[in-house]
Amino acid sequence: KAGVTQTPRYLIKTRGQQVTLSCSPISGHRSVSWYQQTPGQGLQFLFEYFSETQRNKGNFPGRFSGRQFSNSRSEMNVSTLELGDSALYLCASSLELGVNEQFFGPGTRLTVL
Amino acid sequence: EDKVVQSPLSLVVHEGDTVTLNCSYEVTNFRSLLWYKQEKKAPTFLFMLTSSGIEKKSGRLSSILDKKELFSILNITATQTGDSAVYLCALQRYSGGGADGLTFGKGTHLIIQP
Repeated sequence: KAGVTQTPRYLIKTRGQQVTLSCSPISGHRSVSWYQQTPGQGLQFLFEYFSETQRNKGNFPGRFSGRQFSNSRSEMNVSTLELGDSALYLCASSLELGVNEQFFGPGTRLTVL
Repeated sequence: EDKVVQSPLSLVVHEGDTVTLNCSYEVTNFRSLLWYKQEKKAPTFLFMLTSSGIEKKSGRLSSILDKKELFSILNITATQTGDSAVYLCALQRYSGGGADGLTFGKGTHLIIQP
């Protein structure tokens, strides 16, 4: 069974731009969660999607948004990029909402210049 | 606010040694505690713990939870160089929507020297 895939793997943007990251969960998994990982803050929860609806949200500004499609694939968007948004963005999928065993993708490394 | 504190932050041992990694936490409405191993990119799932005193074991790795003292430990016996990684402890609590996203600790960076 294929794992969680994320595209692109690397991305370089400049301040003020916006970016869209994509995540395809493991086949049959219906819940997708997004996390931001930085050296200073570690791994932080962004949001979780299930049945095309955002079910949980972490403590991030409204510039961070996401959506989920009917095939469970998910995208996250960051608008008006700031230098501090440089991070590894990880997507994790699980079978159902709130299921603890989450499987992570390889991440997208975003660099904001 | 939920809190997950891991110790030590880094650890260097020799191959064959046994290591114990610690995770203490503060949370309301505890649901589960999870351990992950992160080598290069994606964290990989190790254990999920929900009940006190029940040891989970997988090969040379084992973990146990103490819900009274609010901590968990991850043990690795007969360490190998392939065990070198960052070990992450994560907490999940119940919320109105069922369960919240995971709250992670900063991790323990483990280095196994040959």
